[in-house]
Amino acid sequence: GDSVTQKEGLVTLTEGLPVMLNCTYQTIYSNAFLFWYVHYLNESPRLLLKSSTDNKRTEHQGFHATLHKSSSSFHLQKSSAQLSDSALYYCALSDGTNTGKLTFGDGTVLTVKP
Amino acid sequence: EAAVTQSPRNKVAVTGGKVTLSCNQTNNHNNMYWYRQDTGHGLRLIHYSYGAGSTEKGDIPDGYKASRPSQENFSLILELATPSQTSVYFCASGRTGGAPTGQLYFGEGSKLTVL
Repeated sequence: GDSVTQKEGLVTLTEGLPVMLNCTYQTIYSNAFLFWYVHYLNESPRLLLKSSTDNKRTEHQGFHATLHKSSSSFHLQKSSAQLSDSALYYCALSDGTNTGKLTFGDGTVLTVKP
Repeated sequence: EAAVTQSPRNKVAVTGGKVTLSCNQTNNHNNMYWYRQDTGHGLRLIHYSYGAGSTEKGDIPDGYKASRPSQENFSLILELATPSQTSVYFCASGRTGGAPTGQLYFGEGSKLTVL
């Protein structure tokens, strides 16, 4: 079945340094959609980025990611971390069918310190 | 504004007791989902529904039942709660078809503690 791997469970950074959270996936579906969701403490998880287009950079709220189907990767990046970026980040995979089901990775907790 | 609301937000139950978690959405989405969130396991799908009257098993359905009496409401039922079901539960809604598929709108979560 489908799977998503986020190899870092916890990432701690100093404010101003670049962010890179890794995401790789496995699926048999050629038109899979990849998502990054962000979950701030005491809020609902919400969509941050999405893509289904190979080698196209997608950006939102200062974050960006590029889907690389050749390496099955969708890493999340930001040039300069802010204290407010501290949150739990999930990479997720949809098979592109009408089920709408998502397979989530285990999540990466990003902590940004002054 | 469209929203997904869950109740109760916090629940303490005893082992063997029955627990019902409720979810209401005003997004007019056909699809609804129940996930549980546990450290080190991410969000795991328990049950989902394509519309009123339908329920489908997700990846970890054992010990849970679901009910979708209407487009707006989707409940998760623990008939005999166990301590291993202590978790935070999230309901979500999503539309069927179109692009991009799979974008979900989550509620704020229900924290369940089974003693």
